[in-house]
Amino acid sequence: GAGVSQSPSNKVTEKGKDVELRCDPISGHTALYWYRQSLGQGLEFLIYFQGNSAPDKSGLPSDRFSAERTGGSVSTLTIQRTQQEDSAVYLCASSLAGTGRYNEQFFGPGTRLTVL
Amino acid sequence: GIQVEQSPPDLILQEGANSTLRCNFSDSVNNLQWFHQNPWGQLINLFYIPSGTKQNGRLSATTVATERYSLLYISSSQTTDSGVYFCAVNTGNQFYFGTGTSLTVIP
Repeated sequence: GAGVSQSPSNKVTEKGKDVELRCDPISGHTALYWYRQSLGQGLEFLIYFQGNSAPDKSGLPSDRFSAERTGGSVSTLTIQRTQQEDSAVYLCASSLAGTGRYNEQFFGPGTRLTVL
Repeated sequence: GIQVEQSPPDLILQEGANSTLRCNFSDSVNNLQWFHQNPWGQLINLFYIPSGTKQNGRLSATTVATERYSLLYISSSQTTDSGVYFCAVNTGNQFYFGTGTSLTVIP
């Protein structure tokens, strides 16, 4: 079946503009994660959605970052008033469940964001 | 949060050689995954291994949860094995990633 998809694959924007990044998880997966990966670094957790529960936003670096998940499926990560330090690859993952033995994550291809 | 350390940070192998990558973590975890990030940036699932040993072709992994480490074995390495290998551990809602082992396999 289809894997996790993300769009756009690349985004170049000017400092101060808002951007929206989209993630389509694997069908039937209730948990969805957003991560950020800066050049040559590991993955930094941003936010986690599980079913209809309130999201875990503990990894969001500032109030310029927000995310929503509509209908328990598609998610959008929004970055307002982008800064150059926001440049990174933004990765989305989904898992069948959020905890226990069914939380094996599957990743999308990522969105490479460049802020000029 | 949990600290995840991977070693070695960099590894260069001749094609055909074997290697062992290590992942240490600082606290009890629910689950552990190994990933291979290819040169195009895609994260590919290798193993979902909270404990025990698994094998998949030339790759195998062992997690000793009580001693808080996991090992990834690569045998008869190929140039296509090049890339960065990450381990990620889960507690609660979050997965914590190590900083990776960068592997280069030369022909």
